Amino acid sequence: DTEVTQTPKHLVMGMTNKKSLKCEQHMGHRAMYWYKQKAKKPPELMFVYSYEKLSINESVPSRFSPECPNSSLLNLHLHALQPEDSALYLCASSHQKAPGQGISPLHFGNGTRLTVT
Amino acid sequence: DAKTTQPTSMDCAEGRAANLPCNHSTISGNEYVYWYRQIHSQGPQYIIHGLKNNETNEMASLIITEDRKSSTLILPHATLRDTAVYYCIVPATNQGGKLIFGQGTELSVKP
Repeated sequence: DTEVTQTPKHLVMGMTNKKSLKCEQHMGHRAMYWYKQKAKKPPELMFVYSYEKLSINESVPSRFSPECPNSSLLNLHLHALQPEDSALYLCASSHQKAPGQGISPLHFGNGTRLTVT
Repeated sequence: DAKTTQPTSMDCAEGRAANLPCNHSTISGNEYVYWYRQIHSQGPQYIIHGLKNNETNEMASLIITEDRKSSTLILPHATLRDTAVYYCIVPATNQGGKLIFGQGTELSVKP
């Protein structure tokens, strides 16, 4: 079990569907992250939120739309995905450190395994 | 970026120490070294991090060379449950908190 909860664990969606992935943490962390991981590859950073504001977007296509409604929740809205978007989507959270103080350890959820048909 | 280089895979006998090396020859003076691992079908798990001094916690020890160009993660008594991909990461301080994963080392602990 992890302290970062992701739902659903598995999701199958068609290319015309709209779906959302959800992530929740109650550790008081003010930084939250979305990563994408393809099979046998390392996780790739997609988005970073700091104090509920989007601080990093790693040139992710607009069919992925993140949202941080409050400090405990992080969503990833999906629309018009392609089969190559099938992957494990990982959410993480951490405390926010001052610049130059390093990065607080990230706490990851176990991911949502997404299949696009 | 302070890029890291790790061996693709390693084996270790159960009960023995697992020593996982990492090269980060372009590391800057204020950049930390982080280690995470990912067990199959789970999210990555933080293990340990350090700047200059050696560090130890309940999971592992981190030995950083004096010139900081390399480090070694030590699992003192490896168990089968330590089989995982181990990632050594040096986030760039000028990139505002981006934790970028490299290819990592796939550690297999064998009975």
